[in-house]
Amino acid sequence: QQQVKQSPQSLIVQKGGISIINCAYENTAFDYFPWYQQFPGKGPALLIAIRPDVSEKKEGRFTISFNKSAKQFSLHIMDSQPGDSATYFCAASRVRAAGNKLTFGGGTRVLVKP
Amino acid sequence: EAGVTQFPSHSVIEKGQTVTLRCDPISGHDNLYWYRRVMGKEIKFLLHFVKESKQDESGMPNNRFLAERTGGTYSTLKVQPAELEDSGVYFCASSPYRDSSYNEQFFGPGTRLTVL
Repeated sequence: QQQVKQSPQSLIVQKGGISIINCAYENTAFDYFPWYQQFPGKGPALLIAIRPDVSEKKEGRFTISFNKSAKQFSLHIMDSQPGDSATYFCAASRVRAAGNKLTFGGGTRVLVKP
Repeated sequence: EAGVTQFPSHSVIEKGQTVTLRCDPISGHDNLYWYRRVMGKEIKFLLHFVKESKQDESGMPNNRFLAERTGGTYSTLKVQPAELEDSGVYFCASSPYRDSSYNEQFFGPGTRLTVL
């Protein structure tokens, strides 16, 4: 049973466009929701993260929107650039109770066309 | 500061053989995690060390997998004997130990294991 569901599996966006990736979770005990970015041949790297006590977090062109009641969160990439082409993973964890082990979504491969 | 390193980067073995993967975490990081991504699926947690102690090994698939972290530094993950379904990319991640939580996990580049 997949506890974090991510969609879409892939998306293509034109340079300057907005990329939107959605995730839904089931376990209401999750209290930390990071997004990871992975380039080919590299490991995932933390991009941005949010806690459930805020509804939005923005860092540069990247924004997380969080809806606690719906158990959903999303990543928006504004003004998408070719360098943003990568695989993006959402994740969730129970930091104190479970040692911060991450439960990942299935990943979204993003291609930004110049 | 050096990042998390993993060795080998690729391994191709026959079914039934043994393979040992190695992870060197960032110096000073007490937390060490192993994850695995099977083709097309999500990255899944395998186990978590705090220093040399196994804190959580709930994600280990079966007893063919053995993880160690002697001396609380590098870790090894041995698969013996390997089966076809063990193929995938094995990631190691580390983070510093702090009471405050929300520690960022730093991932290595992964070891791609192919079992034929």
